[in-house]
Amino acid sequence: EDQVTQSPEALRLQEGESSSLNCSYTVSGLRGLFWYRQDPGKGPEFLFTLYSAGEEKEKERLKATLTKKESFLHITAPKPEDSATYLCAVRIGEGFSGGYNKLIFGAGTRLAVHP
Amino acid sequence: GAVVSQHPSRVICKSGTSVKIECRSLDFQATTMFWYRQFPKQSLMLMATSNEGSKATYEQGVEKDKFLINHASLTLSTLTVTSAHPEDSSFYICSARDFLVNNEQFFGPGTRLTVL
Repeated sequence: EDQVTQSPEALRLQEGESSSLNCSYTVSGLRGLFWYRQDPGKGPEFLFTLYSAGEEKEKERLKATLTKKESFLHITAPKPEDSATYLCAVRIGEGFSGGYNKLIFGAGTRLAVHP
Repeated sequence: GAVVSQHPSRVICKSGTSVKIECRSLDFQATTMFWYRQFPKQSLMLMATSNEGSKATYEQGVEKDKFLINHASLTLSTLTVTSAHPEDSSFYICSARDFLVNNEQFFGPGTRLTVL
């Protein structure tokens, strides 16, 4: 069964305290791993897509990495405005395009950064 | 990134009525749109996938006669919750993707549905 597991469920950090969020997956055919940020009462905001093991992407204080079994979202020197729920999703299906691809989401990590 | 809008952002209705939610891709053509449902403190659950001009594909356990999806154009999809009941109260989020440009998938801001 295709599954995405995120840990920890919740994380509390002090401003400037770097940490990592984990997303482990077991899927039959990975067609991309996605990271999103979701603020309360809003839709997910796209952050990164990773396609192959060893790939890394960065955006401001965030860096996403991918291995064959998991992905990490590293947060360097976080600020209070980084507080949100971070969602990991994997795309499964046949091929890289087509309407039969779909995203399977993990439960998310609720991050709180305190000043 | 690409912009996806939803309307309305909030809706309150009486039990037994139908509610329509619109999803638009504002600056790109969405060859495929997705509808998700999210309960408080839970993750997104895919309800259905729709390709422009064809019937939606529903996920297992989702009643197609209750959640009517129409994807009439490359920029508009609608979700109609028919004969809504309190258990249909949830946060509904649409998503859109343009295969011709890239493989990214962008989400709308969501619609909070409350059925009294």
